[in-house]
Amino acid sequence: DSGVTQTPKHLITATGQRVTLRCSPRSGDLSVYWYQQSLDQGLQFLIQYYNGEERAKGNILERFSAQQFPDLHSELNLSSLELGDSALYFCASSASSVGTQYFGPGTRLTVL
Amino acid sequence: DAKTTQPNSMESNEEEPVHLPCNHSTISGTDYIHWYRQLPSQGPEYVIHGLTSNVNNRMASLAIAEDRKSSTLILHRATLRDAAVYYCILRDVGTGNQFYFGTGTSLTVIP
Repeated sequence: DSGVTQTPKHLITATGQRVTLRCSPRSGDLSVYWYQQSLDQGLQFLIQYYNGEERAKGNILERFSAQQFPDLHSELNLSSLELGDSALYFCASSASSVGTQYFGPGTRLTVL
Repeated sequence: DAKTTQPNSMESNEEEPVHLPCNHSTISGTDYIHWYRQLPSQGPEYVIHGLTSNVNNRMASLAIAEDRKSSTLILHRATLRDAAVYYCILRDVGTGNQFYFGTGTSLTVIP
């Protein structure tokens, strides 16, 4: 158990819909990262937040957005969902902006 | 982001050492070498990391070539629980902490 929690574990929705994935970092960790893992693209970095501020951006689509709240939990919002958005979404946290990352168990999103 | 090259798959017998290679010929002076592994149906798990010198921890050892263009993750005694996809990742602290995962090496441990 990494100490990073993600909810929900599974999510099934339809194309065009919007969903929110939630991540609670390890106690004391200030940085949160979001990754997407699909069969054809592998693990891809989406975005990083540090203490509430966006720190780095990867291959995140404009339909996706994220934020980190004052209590340090983070949410990833996915809108106008497409079939290709079906994937595992992982959250990771680290103590600093450059520390070792600890990954959560992931949220499996299925878009029908 | 510098690229890493790993074999797609490897096999090892249980209780024998495993050497997982990684090539990173375009590594820069500020790139750290990280290894993570992903067990089936789980998120990636930290294994070890280093910059220039060889590193040991309770899970594994990391051997880094003198020119830093390659590295090897060493599992001293493979167990069935070590069956996973192993990722070698370069991280430049100067440009951020995001990890760029390649395809990794799928390790099969044979009982």
